Amino acid sequence: EVQLVESGGGLVQPGGSLRLSCVASGSGFTFSSHWMSWVRQAPGKGLEWVANIKKDGSERYYADSVKGRFTISRDNPHNSLYLQMNSLRAEDTAVYYCGGGPGYWGQGTLVTVSS
Amino acid sequence: QAVVTQEPSLTVSPGGTVTLTCGSSTGAVTSGHYPYWFQQKPGQAPRTLIYDTSNKHSWTPARFSGSLLGGKAALTLSAAQPEDEAEYFCLLSYRGIGEEFGGGTKLTVL
Repeated sequence: EVQLVESGGGLVQPGGSLRLSCVASGSGFTFSSHWMSWVRQAPGKGLEWVANIKKDGSERYYADSVKGRFTISRDNPHNSLYLQMNSLRAEDTAVYYCGGGPGYWGQGTLVTVSS
Repeated sequence: QAVVTQEPSLTVSPGGTVTLTCGSSTGAVTSGHYPYWFQQKPGQAPRTLIYDTSNKHSWTPARFSGSLLGGKAALTLSAAQPEDEAEYFCLLSYRGIGEEFGGGTKLTVL
């Protein structure tokens, strides 16, 4: 069974930084063979795509709302995906999910930006 | 970035059939947009029902199917069950740009 487990969420002040991690495990999912993504969901809102990264990390794309503040990266030997979030704003408050491959997604980690 | 459109809400009778659609402001949706369909129930994480237009996961009930219809991606639910009441989101991929979610369709089974 494929599992994606996010961590690193929490409460942070506006202007602060946070680094999210996602570790993939389970048979049938070769991490290095798949594009990986971060998406988020603000309280009571729909899903918003945040960023994605190519299998080898050579291409990365970002939503306009996070461009220049967030950085997606990956560590294939450790089946890990990261999201470095800087200059955080109240509107970044959301549950962040990592996902990849043929639609495998984690259970999410909550990020709250508040003073 | 592109705008992805979905019906805000739909209602289907138990046992009935309903089709949800997913359109793009850039033109016709094709297999090159690798359409995904997610189901989300209150308080739960979203889960993928359909990926790459029409592929199902092992957990996807057989009554759900994905296709391209009239320039849009489509999710068809046949023989709707009460447990299918949920919000459904589509996700499209735009090569060299990124991805975009639709606003979601709230499906009521009534």
